[in-house]
Amino acid sequence: DIQMTQSPSSLSASVGDRVTITCRASQSISNYLNWYQQKPGKAPKLLIFAASNLHSGVPSRFIGSGSGTDFTLTINSLQPEDFATYYCQQSDSLPWTIGQGTKVII
Amino acid sequence: QVQLAESGGGLVKPGGSLRLSCVASGFTFSDYYMSWIRQAPGKGLEWISYISSSGGNTYSADSVKGRFTISRDNARNSLYLQMNSLRAEDTAVYYCAKEHVVVPATLDHWGQGTLVTVSS
Repeated sequence: DIQMTQSPSSLSASVGDRVTITCRASQSISNYLNWYQQKPGKAPKLLIFAASNLHSGVPSRFIGSGSGTDFTLTINSLQPEDFATYYCQQSDSLPWTIGQGTKVII
Repeated sequence: QVQLAESGGGLVKPGGSLRLSCVASGFTFSDYYMSWIRQAPGKGLEWISYISSSGGNTYSADSVKGRFTISRDNARNSLYLQMNSLRAEDTAVYYCAKEHVVVPATLDHWGQGTLVTVSS
C-alpha cells in the first residue's frame, strides 16, 4: 500500500497568514493526489483534485502543487472559515490511502 | 443539488451485524462509482470500499475484506454496506461518497455520516 504522510500534524496560524501543508507519498503517484477539508462534526469536502485543480466553488486562495512523491497545499490569506483539518488522498492505486491529517488552528 | 443521506448506524455488540444505507439524489446515481469511508472517533479518514456504477466491480480494504460487503440498487438510488463480524475497532462514523465525474478515485460529494458503535 502507498503510505501518505502529512506534515505538520497541526499548526497555529492567524487570519491573513499564508499556510503551507505538505503531503509525501511512499512511492511516485504522478499527480494523482487530492486534498479535502473537514470541519468538526462535518463531512469532508473536496478542495483540490489531480494535485492542482480547484474543485468547483472552492476559493482561489487554495493552491495545490507537486507531482511524484511531494505535494503541497497552500492557503493564501487564511480566513476564519479555513480553520479545519486537511487531508491528502492518493488516487493512483488501490487501496486509495489518506494522510493522517493536518489541523489548522487559531 | 447532490445529496447523500446515510442511515442504519447504531450500537451493536462485537460479532454482530449491521447494514448501512445511503440514499442519493440530485444526480444520475447509476452513472457513478460510489465509496464508503469511515472515521474512528478523533482519528483520520479511512477509505474502506468502492463499487462500480453497474455494481459489477467492487473493492474493499484489507481491514474489512471478508466481513463487509458493498452493494447498490440503482433502481432505488441506494448504496449499501453490509457489515458482519463487527469488532470494537470498527467503531466509527461511516460516510458514503460519490466519485467525481471525470477524475477516478476522487470523492466530490459526501453524506453527513452515520455512527456505528461496536461495544458490549
